[in-house]
Amino acid sequence: AQKITQTQPGMFVQEKEAVTLDCTYDTSDQSYGLFWYKQPSSGEMIFLIYQGSYDEQNATEGRYSLNFQKARKSANLVISASQLGDSAMYFCAMREGKSQGGKLIFGQGTELSVKP
Amino acid sequence: DTGVSQNPRHKITKRGQNVTFRCDPISEHNRLYWYRQTLGQGPEFLTYFQNEAQLEKSRLLSDRFSAERPKGSFSTLEIQRTEQGDSAMYLCASLDSGNTIYFGEGSWLTVV
Repeated sequence: AQKITQTQPGMFVQEKEAVTLDCTYDTSDQSYGLFWYKQPSSGEMIFLIYQGSYDEQNATEGRYSLNFQKARKSANLVISASQLGDSAMYFCAMREGKSQGGKLIFGQGTELSVKP
Repeated sequence: DTGVSQNPRHKITKRGQNVTFRCDPISEHNRLYWYRQTLGQGPEFLTYFQNEAQLEKSRLLSDRFSAERPKGSFSTLEIQRTEQGDSAMYLCASLDSGNTIYFGEGSWLTVV
């Protein structure tokens, strides 16, 4: 069964520094997608970045990059130059290629706090 | 605003009452999802629609829960005879032909 594990319940980072949020996954599928979402205290889930299992290059979106290590089944999110507004919950999620409907399975989340 | 819209944003109800949440997906998105999220947890899949057809339901969706998507546009999630354990945030999301699922701001339910 597919599973997402986020082992860091909480992380602190100094403003303007980079931070890595860990995510490991388990799947028997060869085709799958990995996602990161940000959830501020308001509750909305904001899409950040996507990595397909067949993508050879790591995905990047502005200050976000995804460190994809397929053999290790890890998909860590790197946020560069942290800003105070980055303080939020961050969720890693996976969608198996054969998953009916393409539903996402989420990890437990990591709460990131950016210190001024 | 062309994002996923949910209402009401907050609902407080007495145990045993029925509640209904509405979701308006992004226009022309044919897949619509409902998730539930409790404090400190990631969202859990409840059900999804492809246009007006409900194609999958999680075991989390008890008989007290019913979801509809008439005409394949907006969707409603009704909870009958609410229990305190139903207190959670209910998230709606939609997917276009691409890879990304876009979420709404969620509907918070508190059962007292």
